[in-house]
Amino acid sequence: ETGVTQTPRHLVMGMTNKKSLKCEQHLGHNAMYWYKQSAKKPLELMFVYNFKEQTENNSVPSRFSPECPNSSHLFLHLHTLQPEDSALYLCASSTGFGDRGYGYTFGSGTRLTVV
Amino acid sequence: AQSVTQLDSQVPVFEEAPVELRCNYSSSVSVYLFWYVQYPNQGLQLLLKYLSGSTLVKGINGFEAEFNKSQTSFHLRKPSVHISDTAEYFCAVSRSEKLVFGKGTKLTVNP
Repeated sequence: ETGVTQTPRHLVMGMTNKKSLKCEQHLGHNAMYWYKQSAKKPLELMFVYNFKEQTENNSVPSRFSPECPNSSHLFLHLHTLQPEDSALYLCASSTGFGDRGYGYTFGSGTRLTVV
Repeated sequence: AQSVTQLDSQVPVFEEAPVELRCNYSSSVSVYLFWYVQYPNQGLQLLLKYLSGSTLVKGINGFEAEFNKSQTSFHLRKPSVHISDTAEYFCAVSRSEKLVFGKGTKLTVNP
């Protein structure tokens, strides 16, 4: 139990499907993050939310749509994905954006395969 | 700007041997530094962090790291590794209130 729970753990979807990834934390953290981890590439920060407000979008294609209804939950809505979007999607949380010394707590990730 | 360079993409070692995973960072200001470990099919887990004070930082699972400001390095070490240490290790530095990660080093411990 890492404190950050991601569901589902595995997801296979077609390019025309719509699906959502869910992330939940009960650590009392106020900042949440989505990362993409592809084979042979460094971790890519996708989105940052601080106190439910999106503070960063790193030029992510619009087929990825984040949602943060409260500080404990974060979603990533997916639609019309491409095969190159297949990756491990990691959610993380921290005490607050700007609390540089605490590091992040990561979930176990969702392994996404686009067919 | 701050960046992180992990000098080795793969490090194979034998069980009970010592290991050092190298990390260099570039920064013109004081930094916070981290090492994370990722086991297969898992997320990242914090191993240790350097914020200030003693330059030798001890973490979980017998790992330690030394902050060297003059060489801008934060190398991770373990005196005797186990098969269960096989994983990918990521060095990270705080930048603009975010963590910037290196590309990772895959440590493989062989019997």
